[in-house]
Amino acid sequence: GAGVSQSPSNKVTEKGKDVELRCDPISGHTALYWYRQSLGQGLEFLIYFQGNSAPDKSGLPSDRFSAERTGGSVSTLTIQRTQQEDSAVYLCASSLGVGVKYGYTFGSGTRLTVV
Amino acid sequence: GESVGLHLPTLSVQEGDNSIINCAYSNSASDYFIWYKQESGKGPQFIIDIRSNMDKRQGQRVTVLLNKTVKHLSLQIAATQPGDSAVYFCAEGTNNAGNMLTFGGGTRLMVKP
Repeated sequence: GAGVSQSPSNKVTEKGKDVELRCDPISGHTALYWYRQSLGQGLEFLIYFQGNSAPDKSGLPSDRFSAERTGGSVSTLTIQRTQQEDSAVYLCASSLGVGVKYGYTFGSGTRLTVV
Repeated sequence: GESVGLHLPTLSVQEGDNSIINCAYSNSASDYFIWYKQESGKGPQFIIDIRSNMDKRQGQRVTVLLNKTVKHLSLQIAATQPGDSAVYFCAEGTNNAGNMLTFGGGTRLMVKP
Protein backbone atom coordinates (compact mmCIF):
# COMPACT_ATOMS: atom_id res chain seq x y z
CA GLY A 1 0.00 0.00 0.00
CA ALA A 2 0.89 3.65 -0.04
CA GLY A 3 1.74 3.77 3.64
CA VAL A 4 2.09 1.67 6.77
CA SER A 5 -1.32 0.41 7.81
CA GLN A 6 -2.18 -0.59 11.36
CA SER A 7 -5.32 -2.20 12.67
CA PRO A 8 -7.36 -1.79 14.67
CA SER A 9 -6.93 1.94 15.20
CA ASN A 10 -8.46 1.61 18.66
CA LYS A 11 -8.83 -1.40 20.91
CA VAL A 12 -10.44 -1.59 24.33
CA THR A 13 -9.94 -4.86 26.15
CA GLU A 14 -10.53 -6.25 29.59
CA LYS A 15 -7.61 -6.95 31.88
CA GLY A 16 -6.39 -10.50 31.42
CA LYS A 17 -7.52 -10.87 27.82
CA ASP A 18 -5.15 -11.40 24.89
CA VAL A 19 -4.94 -8.89 22.03
CA GLU A 20 -3.43 -8.95 18.56
CA LEU A 21 -2.30 -5.83 16.79
CA ARG A 22 -1.61 -5.88 13.09
CA CYS A 23 0.87 -3.97 10.95
CA ASP A 24 0.96 -4.00 7.17
CA PRO A 25 4.21 -2.33 6.05
CA ILE A 26 4.96 -0.58 2.80
CA SER A 27 5.44 -3.11 0.04
CA GLY A 28 9.11 -3.88 -0.46
CA HIS A 29 10.23 -2.57 2.91
CA THR A 30 12.47 -5.20 4.43
CA ALA A 31 12.65 -3.81 7.96
CA LEU A 32 9.73 -3.53 10.38
CA TYR A 33 9.65 -2.09 13.88
CA TRP A 34 7.23 -1.98 16.77
CA TYR A 35 7.27 0.84 19.30
CA ARG A 36 5.12 1.65 22.28
CA GLN A 37 4.16 5.19 23.21
CA SER A 38 2.58 5.80 26.58
CA LEU A 39 0.48 8.94 27.07
CA GLY A 40 2.62 12.04 26.67
CA GLN A 41 5.80 10.01 26.44
CA GLY A 42 8.44 9.16 23.88
CA LEU A 43 8.88 6.07 21.78
CA GLU A 44 9.82 2.83 23.50
CA PHE A 45 11.40 0.27 21.18
CA LEU A 46 9.84 -3.19 21.34
CA ILE A 47 11.01 -5.40 18.47
CA TYR A 48 12.66 -5.19 15.06
CA PHE A 49 12.47 -7.49 12.03
CA GLN A 50 15.00 -7.28 9.19
CA GLY A 51 14.48 -9.55 6.19
CA ASN A 52 14.88 -13.19 7.10
CA SER A 53 17.15 -12.52 10.07
CA ALA A 54 16.17 -13.42 13.60
CA PRO A 55 14.21 -10.52 15.10
CA ASP A 56 15.72 -8.21 17.70
CA LYS A 57 13.42 -8.76 20.68
CA SER A 58 15.51 -6.81 23.14
CA GLY A 59 12.83 -4.21 23.80
CA LEU A 60 9.94 -6.52 24.69
CA PRO A 61 9.00 -5.67 28.28
CA SER A 62 7.88 -9.14 29.35
CA ASP A 63 7.21 -12.63 28.06
CA ARG A 64 3.57 -11.64 27.64
CA PHE A 65 4.64 -9.75 24.53
CA SER A 66 5.49 -11.50 21.29
CA ALA A 67 5.52 -10.64 17.61
CA GLU A 68 5.82 -12.42 14.34
CA ARG A 69 6.23 -11.39 10.77
CA THR A 70 4.87 -13.79 8.19
CA GLY A 71 6.29 -13.94 4.69
CA GLY A 72 8.42 -10.90 5.31
CA SER A 73 5.39 -8.65 5.16
CA VAL A 74 2.54 -8.38 7.67
CA SER A 75 3.43 -8.40 11.35
CA THR A 76 1.31 -9.19 14.38
CA LEU A 77 2.12 -8.02 17.89
CA THR A 78 0.44 -10.17 20.52
CA ILE A 79 -0.02 -9.21 24.14
CA GLN A 80 -1.18 -12.00 26.39
CA ARG A 81 -3.01 -11.53 29.69
CA THR A 82 -3.14 -7.77 29.22
CA GLN A 83 -2.51 -5.49 32.19
CA GLN A 84 -3.56 -1.89 32.69
CA GLU A 85 0.03 -0.74 32.28
CA ASP A 86 -0.08 -2.10 28.73
CA SER A 87 -2.40 0.76 27.79
CA ALA A 88 -0.56 2.83 25.21
CA VAL A 89 -0.36 3.60 21.52
CA TYR A 90 1.48 0.87 19.64
CA LEU A 91 3.27 2.20 16.60
CA CYS A 92 4.63 0.21 13.70
CA ALA A 93 7.22 1.50 11.26
CA SER A 94 8.93 0.09 8.21
CA SER A 95 12.00 1.05 6.23
CA LEU A 96 13.33 0.29 2.79
CA GLY A 97 16.58 -1.35 3.70
CA VAL A 98 19.47 -1.73 6.02
CA GLY A 99 21.10 1.53 7.04
CA VAL A 100 19.72 4.43 9.02
CA LYS A 101 19.78 6.64 5.94
CA TYR A 102 16.44 5.15 4.92
CA GLY A 103 14.66 6.46 7.97
CA TYR A 104 11.34 5.03 9.08
CA THR A 105 7.77 5.41 7.83
CA PHE A 106 5.30 5.11 10.68
CA GLY A 107 1.73 3.96 10.76
CA SER A 108 -0.92 5.85 12.71
CA GLY A 109 -0.78 3.40 15.56
CA THR A 110 -3.20 1.29 17.56
CA ARG A 111 -4.46 2.88 20.75
CA LEU A 112 -4.84 0.08 23.29
CA THR A 113 -6.87 0.65 26.42
CA VAL A 114 -6.96 -2.06 29.07
CA VAL A 115 -9.84 -1.68 31.49
CA GLY B 1 22.65 2.35 27.20
CA GLU B 2 23.00 5.42 25.05
CA SER B 3 20.13 7.85 25.14
CA VAL B 4 18.80 10.76 23.19
CA GLY B 5 16.86 13.72 24.59
CA LEU B 6 15.27 12.30 27.73
CA HIS B 7 12.78 15.10 28.24
CA LEU B 8 9.29 15.86 26.96
CA PRO B 9 9.17 19.60 27.53
CA THR B 10 6.60 21.97 26.07
CA LEU B 11 7.48 24.97 23.96
CA SER B 12 4.83 27.62 23.48
CA VAL B 13 5.32 30.19 20.73
CA GLN B 14 3.29 32.92 19.13
CA GLU B 15 2.09 32.37 15.58
CA GLY B 16 4.56 33.94 13.18
CA ASP B 17 7.52 33.69 15.55
CA ASN B 18 10.43 31.34 14.98
CA SER B 19 10.65 28.15 17.03
CA ILE B 20 13.76 26.34 18.19
CA ILE B 21 13.47 22.80 19.48
CA ASN B 22 16.53 21.24 21.06
CA CYS B 23 17.76 17.72 21.48
CA ALA B 24 20.82 16.34 23.26
CA TYR B 25 22.32 13.03 22.23
CA SER B 26 24.94 10.97 23.96
CA ASN B 27 26.28 8.52 21.38
CA SER B 28 29.26 10.23 19.82
CA ALA B 29 29.37 7.47 17.19
CA SER B 30 26.00 8.47 15.73
CA ASP B 31 26.35 9.68 12.18
CA TYR B 32 22.80 10.26 11.10
CA PHE B 33 20.05 12.33 12.70
CA ILE B 34 16.39 12.80 11.89
CA TRP B 35 13.61 15.03 13.13
CA TYR B 36 10.08 13.67 13.19
CA LYS B 37 6.78 15.49 13.73
CA GLN B 38 3.87 13.73 15.40
CA GLU B 39 0.45 15.31 15.23
CA SER B 40 -2.31 14.23 17.55
CA GLY B 41 -3.64 10.79 16.68
CA LYS B 42 -1.01 10.15 14.01
CA GLY B 43 2.32 8.42 13.77
CA PRO B 44 5.57 10.39 13.57
CA GLN B 45 6.36 11.83 10.15
CA PHE B 46 9.80 12.58 8.71
CA ILE B 47 10.67 16.27 8.59
CA ILE B 48 14.36 16.59 7.85
CA ASP B 49 17.59 14.69 8.33
CA ILE B 50 21.27 15.52 8.59
CA ARG B 51 24.47 13.53 8.41
CA SER B 52 27.33 13.97 10.82
CA ASN B 53 29.56 15.48 8.13
CA MET B 54 27.24 18.49 8.00
CA ASP B 55 26.56 21.26 10.49
CA LYS B 56 23.40 22.65 8.95
CA ARG B 57 20.71 21.61 6.56
CA GLN B 58 17.74 23.61 5.38
CA GLY B 59 14.34 22.55 4.20
CA GLN B 60 11.13 24.42 3.63
CA ARG B 61 10.74 26.67 6.69
CA VAL B 62 12.84 24.24 8.74
CA THR B 63 16.54 24.14 9.50
CA VAL B 64 18.43 21.49 11.42
CA LEU B 65 21.66 22.37 13.16
CA LEU B 66 24.15 19.81 14.41
CA ASN B 67 26.84 20.59 16.94
CA LYS B 68 28.96 17.47 17.31
CA THR B 69 31.27 19.07 19.84
CA VAL B 70 28.53 19.27 22.45
CA LYS B 71 26.35 16.54 20.92
CA HIS B 72 23.43 18.84 20.33
CA LEU B 73 20.81 18.91 17.63
CA SER B 74 18.25 21.61 17.03
CA LEU B 75 15.27 22.13 14.77
CA GLN B 76 14.39 25.66 13.79
CA ILE B 77 10.97 26.43 12.36
CA ALA B 78 10.55 29.79 10.70
CA ALA B 79 7.29 31.76 10.91
CA THR B 80 5.60 29.12 13.05
CA GLN B 81 2.04 28.33 12.04
CA PRO B 82 -0.83 26.67 13.96
CA GLY B 83 -0.33 23.58 11.81
CA ASP B 84 3.14 23.22 13.32
CA SER B 85 1.61 22.34 16.68
CA ALA B 86 2.75 18.78 17.38
CA VAL B 87 5.28 16.71 19.28
CA TYR B 88 8.71 16.74 17.71
CA PHE B 89 11.15 13.86 18.13
CA CYS B 90 14.81 13.71 17.29
CA ALA B 91 16.36 10.39 16.39
CA GLU B 92 19.94 9.26 15.95
CA GLY B 93 21.55 6.29 14.35
CA THR B 94 24.72 4.78 13.08
CA ASN B 95 25.17 2.35 10.23
CA ASN B 96 27.34 0.27 12.52
CA ALA B 97 24.16 -0.64 14.38
CA GLY B 98 22.33 -1.74 11.26
CA ASN B 99 19.09 0.09 10.78
CA MET B 100 18.20 1.03 14.32
CA LEU B 101 17.30 4.56 15.29
CA THR B 102 17.24 5.77 18.88
CA PHE B 103 14.50 8.28 19.61
CA GLY B 104 14.50 11.16 22.01
CA GLY B 105 11.69 11.82 24.43
CA GLY B 106 10.05 14.51 22.29
CA THR B 107 9.10 18.16 22.66
CA ARG B 108 5.56 19.43 22.42
CA LEU B 109 5.23 22.60 20.38
CA MET B 110 2.14 24.71 21.00
CA VAL B 111 1.46 27.62 18.67
CA LYS B 112 -0.66 30.42 20.06
CA PRO B 113 -2.79 32.35 17.54
